[in-house]
Amino acid sequence: QTVVTQEPSFSVSPGGTVTLTCGLSSGSVSTSYYPSWYQQTPGQAPRTLMYSTNTRSSGVPDRFSGSILGNKAALTITGAQADDECDYYCVLYMGSGIWVFGGGTKLTVL
Amino acid sequence: EVQLVESGGGLVQPGGSLRLSCAASGFTVSSNYMSWVRQAPGKGLEWVSVVHSGGNTYYADSVKGRFTISRDKSKNTLYLQMNSLRAEDTAVYYCARVSDCGGGRCYLNFDSWGQGTLVTVSS
Repeated sequence: QTVVTQEPSFSVSPGGTVTLTCGLSSGSVSTSYYPSWYQQTPGQAPRTLMYSTNTRSSGVPDRFSGSILGNKAALTITGAQADDECDYYCVLYMGSGIWVFGGGTKLTVL
Repeated sequence: EVQLVESGGGLVQPGGSLRLSCAASGFTVSSNYMSWVRQAPGKGLEWVSVVHSGGNTYYADSVKGRFTISRDKSKNTLYLQMNSLRAEDTAVYYCARVSDCGGGRCYLNFDSWGQGTLVTVSS
């Protein structure tokens, strides 16, 4: 059973930079997994932030960027703002019609 | 404008059945990959199922054999038939459009989401 790993929580200061990662319990994440990232505030549906590793969804500010860092997919937030405080999820396409979400990262801005 | 509206959630006893609907507007369901994603209370997102534009269907191991995804072209609606429901199926169920492949590139991300419908399995 493949597990997609994310940091359970992360903290960043206002104006600071934070990098959230998305890995695999076994193996390395590459662009072939089409990593995408979603932002979710409590009680709301997820919002698409990033897809195909590093393509921002429409309306997403350019202080959000995506990449492959080492053996993981990464979401970097530069110049963190108070309203960036929420949950972030990555998902990887495993092939054969299957996707697996990571457990999510709760980001605190303080 | 793309819009997805789920309905059909509610309280059901363990072992029972429920059918969720997702009415789409602004695009054609049958021409797209469409998926269901769920979120148990206080937990993370879990991919449940997808139907490809060609009709192939795929399921997470946790629901395989119990859930069936389908669509109605005339109603432009996606469905999820859920049978043999368990307490662990309690969740908000979201439908999502999947951006698949085109122009020589693949994207395979969930590009539009509904607001979700709550399913509670309890006696």
